[in-house]
Amino acid sequence: NAGVTQTPKFQVLKTGQSMTLQCAQDMNHEYMSWYRQDPGMGLRLIHYSVGAGITDQGEVPNGYNVSRSTTEDFPLRLLSAAPSQTSVYFCASSPPRGSGYTFGSGTRLTVV
Amino acid sequence: ILNVEQSPQSLHVQEGDSTNFTCSFPSSNFYALHWYRWETAKSPEALFVMTLNGDEKKKGRISATLNTKEGYSYLYIKGSQPEDSATYLCAFMKTSYDKVIFGPGTSLSVIP
Repeated sequence: NAGVTQTPKFQVLKTGQSMTLQCAQDMNHEYMSWYRQDPGMGLRLIHYSVGAGITDQGEVPNGYNVSRSTTEDFPLRLLSAAPSQTSVYFCASSPPRGSGYTFGSGTRLTVV
Repeated sequence: ILNVEQSPQSLHVQEGDSTNFTCSFPSSNFYALHWYRWETAKSPEALFVMTLNGDEKKKGRISATLNTKEGYSYLYIKGSQPEDSATYLCAFMKTSYDKVIFGPGTSLSVIP
C-alpha cells in the first residue's frame, strides 16, 4: 500500500496564480483532512471531509477550496495565491473510529 | 474554535531522564484524544488514540493517560533516549464525525 500520496512535494507560485495540491489514499479511509504547518503555529486545519461528497471548513479555510468526489482523492485548490499561504501543507486520512491519522509526506509551497 | 493547549512548549532532558507533558482540551462533548510523534523532516505518526475516561495506553517506554472530566491527558516517556527527540502533538475530536484539532506541540530534545 502506498498510504497517503501528496503531489507535488515542492512548488513555487507567483502571487495571484492558482494551483491544486493533490492528495490520494489507497486505504479506503473515510476521513481526510488538509493541514498547514507554520513556524510556532503547529498544524492548523484548513478543510476536512468525513466521506465522499461531504466537506467542511476547518480553522483557516479562507483562500482554499476542496471537493471530495471519490473516497480516494481530496484535492486542495488555492484560488489566488498570496504570500501568506507560504507554508508546508499536509494531507491526512483516517478510518472513522480512530486508529489516528496517516499523514502524507507534505507539500512545501512558496508564494512570491 | 476549539482550544487545545500543550505544555511545556519545549523541553530539554538528559538521556535516561523520565519526562512528561500535558495536553488540555475542552471537557465537554469529548469523543477522542490523539497523540502523535513528529520528527524533523518527517510526517507526524500516530502514537495513541484514547476515547474513554481513565484510559491508559502504552507503547514501549511511552505511555499516556486520559482524564475527560477535567480535560487533560499526560504523555510520559520513561528513560528518554536521543531517538525520542521530536515534537509531540495531541489532537482533539469533539464528536465522531467532526474535525480533528491539533495542539501546538511540545518539542522534546534528549541530550546524550
